[in-house]
Amino acid sequence: ETVLTQSPGTLSLSPGESATLSCWASQSVANNYLAWYQQKPGQTPRLVIFDASIRATGIPDRFSGSGSGTDFTLTISRLEPEDFGVYYCHKYGSTPGTFGQGTKVEIK
Amino acid sequence: QLHLQESGPGVVKPSETLSLTCSVSGGSIATASHYWGWIRQPPGKGLEWIASSYYSGSTYYNSSIQSRVTISVDTSKNLFSLRLTSVAAADTGIYYCARQTRLRDPQFGPILGHFDSWGQGALVTVSS
Repeated sequence: ETVLTQSPGTLSLSPGESATLSCWASQSVANNYLAWYQQKPGQTPRLVIFDASIRATGIPDRFSGSGSGTDFTLTISRLEPEDFGVYYCHKYGSTPGTFGQGTKVEIK
Repeated sequence: QLHLQESGPGVVKPSETLSLTCSVSGGSIATASHYWGWIRQPPGKGLEWIASSYYSGSTYYNSSIQSRVTISVDTSKNLFSLRLTSVAAADTGIYYCARQTRLRDPQFGPILGHFDSWGQGALVTVSS
């Protein structure tokens, strides 16, 4: 089973700043089968990025994903108030799919 | 627009069986491009994939709870279900149903992809 470790646990930032979230995999993720989801308090997760770098439908271009192998990054430039929440990375393809423990992006 | 809605009991007694249903509207469950899955989230914690199924009946389970889980699809009612036996306090949490992309890997054939549409979630508490 591939373990995903996210860093940092919490990011405290102000609107307008940029956020850099990391996701490390315990073994190489085939074909960059890695997704990012956003979850706001009391809400359902929402797909942000899939295949490491492809934005999901309706996701603004201030969100970008990068990385390959075992190291992946989600960057949010120019944070908007609606961007705050918890972000999870998710490795898929081989079974079982696994999730990281989450990075909380909070308003400073 | 696709809509998924979970339904089931809010409280289940320890050692009993949890049954959840996910009703799908705005699209057919019998689609070649997707699987249908369940994910859960304990209170204040992260996400855990439980199981997924293709409309024709192919099923995939997380080995950590495979012995207690059954997923099934009913194409006539456009819904899919989860059954979890011998529940304990550790099974308490929000259970989400979701649509999952079906990828075609050149080496391994069809494989489970990312989750592109989620239900609102059903809170399940295991308590006597």
